[in-house]
Amino acid sequence: DADVTQTPRNRITKTGKRIMLECSQTKGHDRMYWYRQDPGLGLRLIYYSFDVKDINKGEISDGYSVSRQAQAKFSLSLESAIPNQTALYFCATSAHNYGYTFGSGTRLTVV
Amino acid sequence: QQQVKQSPQSLIVQKGGISIINCAYENTAFDYFPWYQQFPGKGPALLIAIRPDVSEKKEGRFTISFNKSAKQFSLHIMDSQPGDSATYFCAVAGNAGNMLTFGGGTRLMVKP
Repeated sequence: DADVTQTPRNRITKTGKRIMLECSQTKGHDRMYWYRQDPGLGLRLIYYSFDVKDINKGEISDGYSVSRQAQAKFSLSLESAIPNQTALYFCATSAHNYGYTFGSGTRLTVV
Repeated sequence: QQQVKQSPQSLIVQKGGISIINCAYENTAFDYFPWYQQFPGKGPALLIAIRPDVSEKKEGRFTISFNKSAKQFSLHIMDSQPGDSATYFCAVAGNAGNMLTFGGGTRLMVKP
């Protein structure tokens, strides 16, 4: 099994729909992150959590929300999806050093 | 404000050639400079990283060159192979929380 598992791998949704992307990890790391990848823009941080009771906004949090259900689970929600949220979404984990472990990503298309 | 600028956005190299990707940063407080490699359908994975107390780090065919005074660092891939075709991201860290900030990515294609 993968260390960081993201579900679903691919999703097509309609504008205005609510959608949740899920992430679970077996690394035992406290820190979890959600990134968005767009061509030429690299990986941009949406939200991050340093432990179960800690949630922080990243640079592009508008239109997104998160929930840290347990140390191993961190979900990302789009409350009302819009087409410019079409992107590749990655969950990552880390310990207190800098080493990040990424999931395989969720490709989201909003039509 | 973009904390790390990566160039080029795309790169085509012949097999056996040298691939060079560059990154520039602004904040002198950064103290960790990794490179991540991403294959299609996969998440980025740590390739090699350097701290500012050394000017070069080599792991196999991959080398990071670091220029602290110019606030630049680069990835060199020697004897590039088609299997090196991937997207490469530089990153910086050293701010509070030890969090990574990524560059825009470089799509490398190595032609056989």
